[in-house]
Amino acid sequence: DVKVTQSSRYLVKRTGEKVFLECVQDMDHENMFWYRQDPGLGLRLIYFSYDVKMKEKGDIPEGYSVSREKKERFSLILESASTNQTSMYLCASSLRQILDTQYFGPGTRLTVL
Amino acid sequence: KNEVEQSPQNLTAQEGEFITINCSYSVGISALHWLQQHPGGGIVSLFMLSSGKKKHGRLIATINIQEKHSSLHITASHPRDSAVYICAVSRGSQGNLIFGKGTKLSVKP
Repeated sequence: DVKVTQSSRYLVKRTGEKVFLECVQDMDHENMFWYRQDPGLGLRLIYFSYDVKMKEKGDIPEGYSVSREKKERFSLILESASTNQTSMYLCASSLRQILDTQYFGPGTRLTVL
Repeated sequence: KNEVEQSPQNLTAQEGEFITINCSYSVGISALHWLQQHPGGGIVSLFMLSSGKKKHGRLIATINIQEKHSSLHITASHPRDSAVYICAVSRGSQGNLIFGKGTKLSVKP
């Protein structure tokens, strides 16, 4: 079974802090994705990566950056957390492109005070 | 207007009922996905389809490419089917998805 893990289920941070969200997949997948999910807005793509050290902006990249130094690990970074970044963050991975199922992690519920 | 629209937003059914959730999209796609999200957040992929129909147990997904419409059917619904069902479409060469807002299904015993 594909396993996608995220470093924390719940996280509370203060405004202005630098926040790291980690995602690890164990199936040698090439594509990895970061989404946020908000009530009434659904899931929205923040960033994705289709190879080590490669990254592409999604629909809402502002305020975020990412890092993919190893194939199995994709990190989401909030350089200076703000209250409007309080959300559920979900990581996903897929083997290749287009016609591949995405496998999701359990999510990290981030609260920024 | 959202590129992926689902209906209904909320659905309450009695155990045993036949359920249909609809998804319409307005963009060209390479595939359509149905996902299930249980309380607590975990998302599971149910189906990925680019034409026709797929069946898995009591779940059936259909897609009409010409009409840009897909349906997810649940036969003999059960309280454990209670979840949010999300429709998403694949665009582009990297497989990133555009999501509908989800349909919250509650099946009463």
